[in-house]
Amino acid sequence: ETGVTQTPRHLVMGMTNKKSLKCEQHLGHNAMYWYKQSAKKPLELMFVYNFKEQTENNSVPSRFSPECPNSSHLFLHLHTLQPEDSALYLCASSRGGAKQSTDTQYFGPGTRLTVL
Amino acid sequence: DAKTTQPNSMESNEEEPVHLPCNHSTISGTDYIHWYRQLPSQGPEYVIHGLTSNVNNRMASLAIAEDRKSSTLILHRATLRDAAVYYCILRRSQGGSEKLVFGKGTKLTVNP
Repeated sequence: ETGVTQTPRHLVMGMTNKKSLKCEQHLGHNAMYWYKQSAKKPLELMFVYNFKEQTENNSVPSRFSPECPNSSHLFLHLHTLQPEDSALYLCASSRGGAKQSTDTQYFGPGTRLTVL
Repeated sequence: DAKTTQPNSMESNEEEPVHLPCNHSTISGTDYIHWYRQLPSQGPEYVIHGLTSNVNNRMASLAIAEDRKSSTLILHRATLRDAAVYYCILRRSQGGSEKLVFGKGTKLTVNP
């Protein structure tokens, strides 16, 4: 138990569906992250939020829309996805702030997404 | 962005030391070297990090080359629970934004 929870753990959706992934951290952290882990590819950073402000968007397609209403919650809204978007989506959190390069990130268990 | 290179897989026997190498020849002076590992069906977990000097903690040791172009994660006595994919990561913060570069990781198999 890392203090970072993700729901749902598994999700199957069609290409025309709209769904949302939820992440919650109980660690009092100020930075939250979304990562994508595809089979046989390195972990890819998607978005970074620091004190609720988005500080990084790694050229992610607009069909992925993040939302960070407060420092404890992070959402990833999904719409009109493609089968190649099937992957494990991981959320992480860290203390945040200026010293990010030494921050430890705590990961959730991930949501296994399948797009049909 | 600076990249890391790791062997795809390594094997070890239980209770023996394991040395996991990572090459990062284009590392910059502001990059920290972090190691995470991912056990089956779990998210990654932090192992250790360092900048220039060797580091020890309860999980592992990190040996950093003098020119910082390579590093080695050392597990002093491997257990079956250490079987995981180990990621060598360079972390850089520039102007408040987060830069993370993941390698493909090394899959460590521990034989009983």
